[in-house]
Amino acid sequence: AQTVTQSQPEMSVQEAETVTLSCTYDTSESDYYLFWYKQPPSRQMILVIRQEAYKQQNATENRFSVNFQKAAKSFSLKISDSQLGDAAMYFCAYRSAWGGSEKLVFGKGTKLTVNP
Amino acid sequence: EPEVTQTPSHQVTQMGQEVILRCVPISNHLYFYWYRQILGQKVEFLVSFYNNEISEKSEIFDDQFSVERPDGSNFTLKIRSTKLEDSAMYFCASSVRENSNQPQHFGDGTRLSIL
Repeated sequence: AQTVTQSQPEMSVQEAETVTLSCTYDTSESDYYLFWYKQPPSRQMILVIRQEAYKQQNATENRFSVNFQKAAKSFSLKISDSQLGDAAMYFCAYRSAWGGSEKLVFGKGTKLTVNP
Repeated sequence: EPEVTQTPSHQVTQMGQEVILRCVPISNHLYFYWYRQILGQKVEFLVSFYNNEISEKSEIFDDQFSVERPDGSNFTLKIRSTKLEDSAMYFCASSVRENSNQPQHFGDGTRLSIL
């Protein structure tokens, strides 16, 4: 079974600075998808960024980028020029690409605080 | 932007009672999901639903749980005889699933408290 580990329960960053959230996963599959979701307080989880395992190029979405290291099974999220609105719980998630399983496997989350 | 909506936001129920959590997925989505998060723990998959039947379920999703799409819009999770350990945040999600990199869109969740 696949597992996802987020080793940082909490992180903080100064506004306008850069922060990196860690995520590692364990799988025997060769093809899969990885996601970062953001959950602001009392709000729904929103997709931040996704990565297909067969793509070597790291995904980027504006100020958000990932460092995907397939051999190391690592998928970290970098937030550049942090803004107060980035404060939230961030969840890393895994999904199989084949075999019909649509379920997401989540990490425990990292609570990000942005200090003005 | 269309959203997944869940009602109620908070449900308090006596142990042993039945509870129904409701979700309205995004209208053109075909796959529907329920997840739960016990306080301080990971978000866990419960069940996925496609074409009016369960396509996958976890070990958590035992006989006390059921899902239904009673009409063209609602997607419900029923817990038949609630236990204290069912207290959790329950998230509904939906996806288009034209291909598997399409993300699942989540609702705000229902906080279920069992007394």
